[in-house]
Amino acid sequence: GDKVKQSPSALSLQEGTNSALRCNFSIAATTVQWFLQNPRGSLINLFYLVPGTKENGRLKSAFDSKESYSTLHIRDAQLEDSGTYFCAAPQGGSAKLIFGEGTKLTVSS
Amino acid sequence: EAAVTQSPRNKVAVTGGKVTLSCNQTNNHNNMYWYRQDTGHGLRLIHYSYGAGSTEKGDIPDGYKASRPSQENFSLILELATPSQTSVYFCASGDAGGNGQLYFGEGSKLTVL
Repeated sequence: GDKVKQSPSALSLQEGTNSALRCNFSIAATTVQWFLQNPRGSLINLFYLVPGTKENGRLKSAFDSKESYSTLHIRDAQLEDSGTYFCAAPQGGSAKLIFGEGTKLTVSS
Repeated sequence: EAAVTQSPRNKVAVTGGKVTLSCNQTNNHNNMYWYRQDTGHGLRLIHYSYGAGSTEKGDIPDGYKASRPSQENFSLILELATPSQTSVYFCASGDAGGNGQLYFGEGSKLTVL
């Protein structure tokens, strides 16, 4: 089954609204990373988390290793937030980083 | 910010030909990775490396070899390219221990005709 499962798979937002993306793990994740793949295809680092929360501007992420999930909250969505968001976690403490399938976000005016 | 450079950025190859994708990182990271990205599959791990001389199989290694001749360089080799290997390939580097943050290159688009 899916070791890293993201939801929703796609999301449409109006500018200025808020939303949350979720990542569920069936592996014993000790850290999680969030990336944004922009429309040009570049993978941009958003967050690297141990259990806890981090905030950066309009983005906030939380990681609960006991409940095996992570969330990414987007506040006041802007057009430039559009793209595909990926979460990833290392498998079994190894260097193997496993990715979710991504959430495609479209922000419109 | 970590610098990971991939070459070539675009490649067209013929079926049965040999293709080498190269990756260079300038941040002295121990771990390096090759992923492929296809529509509907996200990013899938092909090979990875813990350091110079080390290569490990990822989740989809069949049809690919990897080479890590130095800390800075990690290559992905397709000895006999097939159309099913048409994809976008991403290289990444990260700190040792598996828990380090990953930094990606810009991707290499490979088309096998």
